[in-house]
Amino acid sequence: NAGVTQTPKFQVLKTGQSMTLQCAQDMNHEYMSWYRQDPGMGLRLIHYSVGAGITDQGEVPNGYNVSRSTTEDFPLRLLSAAPSQTSVYFCASWTDYNEQFFGPGTRLTVL
Amino acid sequence: AQSVSQHNHHVILSEAASLELGCNYSYGGTVNLFWYVQYPGQHLQLLLKYFSGDPLVKGIKGFEAEFIKSKFSFNLRKPSVQWSDTAEYFCAVTPMDTGFQKLVFGTGTRLLVSP
Repeated sequence: NAGVTQTPKFQVLKTGQSMTLQCAQDMNHEYMSWYRQDPGMGLRLIHYSVGAGITDQGEVPNGYNVSRSTTEDFPLRLLSAAPSQTSVYFCASWTDYNEQFFGPGTRLTVL
Repeated sequence: AQSVSQHNHHVILSEAASLELGCNYSYGGTVNLFWYVQYPGQHLQLLLKYFSGDPLVKGIKGFEAEFIKSKFSFNLRKPSVQWSDTAEYFCAVTPMDTGFQKLVFGTGTRLLVSP
């Protein structure tokens, strides 16, 4: 049981480049979410999903897209990276009672 | 704006000292409450949670938290900290008015325990 996995662990992009952060879970959790963690700001919700085919915006969705075609996968797309998107990104999956299980994170630097 | 506040951004303690980290939230309705811990270089792990019932909840590694509804607080405590408790601690809330679907985090408290 791998839990929540994320790839890549580290990524450096140039401004304007696009990329997809991958997230997968093997716990058959219905709900998944993406957060970004910045110093002094805690974790902020980017997007979340309550099931395959259903996504919604969180607190800081601008510049990010998501889709949920399967229960297991929830990729996060940066369409045109900006330096303000330099952050650590965490994916999580959770149960009905919102005890969230987090992945190991992706550290992204945008130059 | 509705939020979660953690009053102490940095706490430094000696081993065996007692710990109390404050957490207040501003949501008026029913909430679920959590404390997560992030050890250096690692991802977040659940320390403890409160959904209903006894307002004093016990978690892993000797941590406990008390929910005081009248004060909108969920403070984290540990009677005697160890060096291995050095980490960042996050309080988090899911309000019922979001269908318990949005987990809102506080800004975190960095705890440094000196041996």
